Amino acid sequence: KAGVTQTPRYLIKTRGQQVTLSCSPISGHRSVSWYQQTPGQGLQFLFEYFSETQRNKGNFPGRFSGRQFSNSRSEMNVSTLELGDSALYLCASSFSPDTEAFFGQGTRLTVV
Amino acid sequence: QQQVKQSPQSLIVQKGGISIINCAYENTAFDYFPWYQQFPGKGPALLIAIRPDVSEKKEGRFTISFNKSAKQFSLHIMDSQPGDSATYFCAAEVQGGSEKLVFGKGTKLTVNP
Repeated sequence: KAGVTQTPRYLIKTRGQQVTLSCSPISGHRSVSWYQQTPGQGLQFLFEYFSETQRNKGNFPGRFSGRQFSNSRSEMNVSTLELGDSALYLCASSFSPDTEAFFGQGTRLTVV
Repeated sequence: QQQVKQSPQSLIVQKGGISIINCAYENTAFDYFPWYQQFPGKGPALLIAIRPDVSEKKEGRFTISFNKSAKQFSLHIMDSQPGDSATYFCAAEVQGGSEKLVFGKGTKLTVNP
């Protein structure tokens, strides 16, 4: 059974640009959550989607957004990139919002 | 305010020893407490998890101890091996609710051969 797939694995963007990251959940999983991991702040919750609806949102500015498609795949978008957005962005999938979450390998975003 | 506090930040043990990582939480609504293991360049992998209705859960060499009254839980790794060297994160969640996984800051474990 394939795990959570995140693409791309690595990205380098310039400050002010925007970026879109993609996540394909485990087959049959309908819930997708996104997390940001940095050395200073650790792992922080960004948002959660279930059945194409955003259920929860963490404490991040509006520049961070996401969506989920009918096949449960999810994308997150960061607009007007700042240097501080450099991080490992992790996607986690679960069968439903109240079941255990499994993480992908992440997308390493570097903003220069 | 840090909702889940994890200690120690780093831990060095000898092969065959016991590794113990502790976490404390604030929110009594949390009802799911997983531990994740992360190797460099990889995403966190679910190791073991517990719910507040049990005080201990064991899977192989890994054991979670849970103390609801003290709002603390810990991970014990028995017979630690060099392959266990990784960063370990505790987390807490209100499953199905608005409090998604809240992580501790992590513990970097090094097991010397």
